[in-house]
Amino acid sequence: DTAVSQTPKYLVTQMGNDKSIKCEQNLGHDTMYWYKQDSKKFLKIMFSYNNKELIINETVPNRFSPKSPDKAHLNLHINSLELGDSAVYFCASSQEAFQSSYEQYFGPGTRLTVT
Amino acid sequence: GQNIDQPTEMTATEGAIVQINCTYQTSGFNGLFWYQQHAGEAPTFLSYNVLDGLEEKGRFSSFLSRSKGYSYLLLKELQMKDSASYLCAVMIKAAGNKLTFGGGTRVLVKP
Repeated sequence: DTAVSQTPKYLVTQMGNDKSIKCEQNLGHDTMYWYKQDSKKFLKIMFSYNNKELIINETVPNRFSPKSPDKAHLNLHINSLELGDSAVYFCASSQEAFQSSYEQYFGPGTRLTVT
Repeated sequence: GQNIDQPTEMTATEGAIVQINCTYQTSGFNGLFWYQQHAGEAPTFLSYNVLDGLEEKGRFSSFLSRSKGYSYLLLKELQMKDSASYLCAVMIKAAGNKLTFGGGTRVLVKP
C-alpha cells in the first residue's frame, strides 16, 4: 500500500495555464507538506497543514494555493504558470507538526515542466 | 537566516567508509535529520539527532555536535545501491516546526 501518493507523476503544460497536483496519505498523519525541488536539487518547504489548518506558508507567490479538504489530502493549485515553476513538487506527511522528532514521509513527486 | 552546508559530491569504493559532513547556522534549532534520495525518487528518512552524540543504525551512523553546529553521516561497508544524494536537514522551531534542507551530497560508489 502506498503511504503518500501524488497525481500526476508528470505534468507538461504551457505558460499561463492553471494546473493542480493532488496528494493523499493513508498513514493517519495529522500534518502534510508541499516542497519544491528545483533543478539544483534544493528541497524547499512551501506549505504545511496540520489537521486542515495552514501553519507554514513560506514566501510563495499567490499563484500557488494549497487546499486541504481533510487531513488525509493536500492539493496544490497553481495559477498562471511560469517557466520558473518548472520543478519537482513533493508532498510529505508526518504524524504531527509540533513534535520535532517525527520523520516526514515523502510522496513520489510530480515533475512539472512549463513550456 | 538559515545556512546549511554540505559537500556537493563524494566518490568512494564499494566496501569502504564515507563520511558526509554538514555544518549549519540556524536559529531555533530543534533537531537534525538525514535523508537519502536516489535519482528520480523521493527522499527517505535515515536518521534523527537532537542531542549531542552518535546514533548508530546498522551500516549508517549519524553524529551531532550542537555547540559546533556540525553533524556527519557515516556510511560503512559501502554498497553500489548506496549511490544516491544524502540530504542534511535541520528542524527549525517555528509554528509547527519547519524542516530546512541543505543542497545534498551526491555519493557515487565505484566497484
